[in-house]
Amino acid sequence: GAGVSQSPSNKVTEKGKDVELRCDPISGHTALYWYRQSLGQGLEFLIYFQGNSAPDKSGLPSDRFSAERTGGSVSTLTIQRTQQEDSAVYLCASSRVLGSGANVLTFGAGSRLTVL
Amino acid sequence: TQLLEQSPQFLSIQEGENLTVYCNSSSVFSSLQWYRQEPGEGPVLLVTVVTGGEVKKLKRLTFQFGDARKDSSLHITAAQPGDTGLYLCAGVRNTGKLIFGQGTTLQVKP
Repeated sequence: GAGVSQSPSNKVTEKGKDVELRCDPISGHTALYWYRQSLGQGLEFLIYFQGNSAPDKSGLPSDRFSAERTGGSVSTLTIQRTQQEDSAVYLCASSRVLGSGANVLTFGAGSRLTVL
Repeated sequence: TQLLEQSPQFLSIQEGENLTVYCNSSSVFSSLQWYRQEPGEGPVLLVTVVTGGEVKKLKRLTFQFGDARKDSSLHITAAQPGDTGLYLCAGVRNTGKLIFGQGTTLQVKP
């Protein structure tokens, strides 16, 4: 597609349930990023996939969070046993250029998660 | 630990005023980027600065990268209501990983 697509755009869940958030990156982009953003705040790094290399998971806040990227394309961010503090907008981005000063990220519109 | 400190975090000014947003770090980055984000959307890249001391201009916006490649500034001349939004700086590691600052919310009143 022309841009990064994320689904669902909005998700309301009950505390303790599991949720899956999906990201379809731009075709041909080898790098994929997940960030979390609270209202009006900056982006908190979660995880970074770069080609076939092992992902950088250093930003995942707890073992309840995991992410996969299948076939070098679509990625799923899974949050198990959701807590109220997990409520935020989860943003996905992809880029073509790796390890370069010209690395240009294209972001999706985000998935807004609300945990009741 | 916040690797990139942005200031101010919130700025409310009148149309026509000038402003500067700062992005500071103790770390060296291979490059630094500035993004703008509007409500309900993802951030959109404004500029990338790569060389220490580099200055780039985008219409009324001027971006500067510090000589040591640890800090940057964004200056807006004669701000307009259309400039309202969240401005984010991001440091780029040589691995391609991006670390974002906390953001600066700018409100320009007509």
